[in-house]
Amino acid sequence: DTGVSQNPRHKITKRGQNVTFRCDPISEHNRLYWYRQTLGQGPEFLTYFQNEAQLEKSRLLSDRFSAERPKGSFSTLEIQRTEQGDSAMYLCASSLLSFGPLGSIQYFGAGTRLSVL
Amino acid sequence: RKEVEQDPGPFNVPEGATVAFNCTYSNSASQSFFWYRQDCRKEPKLLMSVYSSGNEDGRFTAQLNRASQYISLLIRDSKLSDSATYLCVVNGGGNQFYFGTGTSLTVIP
Repeated sequence: DTGVSQNPRHKITKRGQNVTFRCDPISEHNRLYWYRQTLGQGPEFLTYFQNEAQLEKSRLLSDRFSAERPKGSFSTLEIQRTEQGDSAMYLCASSLLSFGPLGSIQYFGAGTRLSVL
Repeated sequence: RKEVEQDPGPFNVPEGATVAFNCTYSNSASQSFFWYRQDCRKEPKLLMSVYSSGNEDGRFTAQLNRASQYISLLIRDSKLSDSATYLCVVNGGGNQFYFGTGTSLTVIP
């Protein structure tokens, strides 16, 4: 499977614990995005990488959230001191930087569903 | 004001019907527009990009109206398999992409 891969698919944790999710983008894609989606809502932008550089972060992103993409390939999203309000689906998407609208097409992974008890 | 607004529906239509969804966006500098489809408990998947001149892909037609800042999706001859949530996506003039809340469509036999 050469699509976007996310692990784990499900994570159940207790409030206050730290969690880390991993995303492996499509191999030649240099752009990587993290989104959060709750029931009945569309995906909400969290952050964006171009290669290893984190270029944008949502102003809504709490400082408990941190993301890395150390070698410009896979990325991790860590949530520290989880709260019940962090329960959501966390989606990763990747795209290829190129001119024209096709360069903006994002391909999504299946997501990591987080439940904070 | 939200960056992207969609009517959440639900839209319940019989097979064979034509249905249209609209989506408005707030940033006049937006350059890229898409419709994604999301099935229940699945990830969003690209349905089609939206070009300035409008574009068609089989039963699906997408249009962009920059003056009024909205995009539309028309589905003709609805199939049962078209039942899904349709997400409008707009870039924010930079590299952020904003999704609408999605419009739920159920095609009824």
